[in-house]
Amino acid sequence: GNSVTQMEGPVTLSEEAFLTINCTYTATGYPSLFWYVQYPGEGLQLLLKATKADDKGSNKGFEATYRKETTSFHLEKGSVQVSDSAVYFCALVIQGAQKLVFGQGTRLTINP
Amino acid sequence: DTAVSQTPKYLVTQMGNDKSIKCEQNLGHDTMYWYKQDSKKFLKIMFSYNNKELIINETVPNRFSPKSPDKAHLNLHINSLELGDSAVYFCASSRVAGGRQETQYFGPGTRLLVL
Repeated sequence: GNSVTQMEGPVTLSEEAFLTINCTYTATGYPSLFWYVQYPGEGLQLLLKATKADDKGSNKGFEATYRKETTSFHLEKGSVQVSDSAVYFCALVIQGAQKLVFGQGTRLTINP
Repeated sequence: DTAVSQTPKYLVTQMGNDKSIKCEQNLGHDTMYWYKQDSKKFLKIMFSYNNKELIINETVPNRFSPKSPDKAHLNLHINSLELGDSAVYFCASSRVAGGRQETQYFGPGTRLLVL
C-alpha cells in the first residue's frame, strides 16, 4: 500500500539552528509529494511540493527534494525562527487515487 | 478572501446527538474532501466528492453521511455521536485536470468534542 513515515517528534531546536525533518514513503506508482504545516490552533497550509523525481520544492526558506532512489522527501531549513514552531506533515498523493496519505506529523518547537 | 471555510469552528455536544458541519470553497475546484485528525494529530481521509459524486469512502461508519448540494459545498452530517468521534475535522478541495489532481487546500478545521 501507500504510506508515509516521518521522523519521530517532538523536535526542539534553538533559533537559527539547522533543521531536517526526515520523510520516507512507500508508493505504488509515481506519487506527488507535499509538506503541509499546521500552526497552533490553525488548519493545514501547503508549505511546498514536488511532483516528480529530482524536483525541489521551496518556500519560506524551507526546501525538500524528491529523491526517487531513496524514496525520500526530507524537509530542511538553514536557520529556523521561533515562528516556525508548528506541526509538519509529509504527504503523498498517487495520481488517480485523489486522496492525500499523511505521515504522522512532527511537532517542531523553536526556542529563542 | 476565504478559500475553504468551515462552520462551526468549535462544536461541543452530548453523546447520541446528531450534528452537521458545513464546508464551502470559492476556488472553483471540482473535488472536495473530509479528513479526520485524531488527538495524536494523525490525519486520515474520510470522504471525497468529485462534481458532487462520492468517489472515496474510507470505511467510515454509516453514522457519517456527507452531502454535496453543489460543487462548492460538502457538508458532513453525523448521527448518534459517540465519544470516539471527538476530533478535528478538516475539509479540503482541489482541482482535477486531465486526470491529474492538483494541490489540495484545507479549511481551518472544526473541533468536535463529544461529552
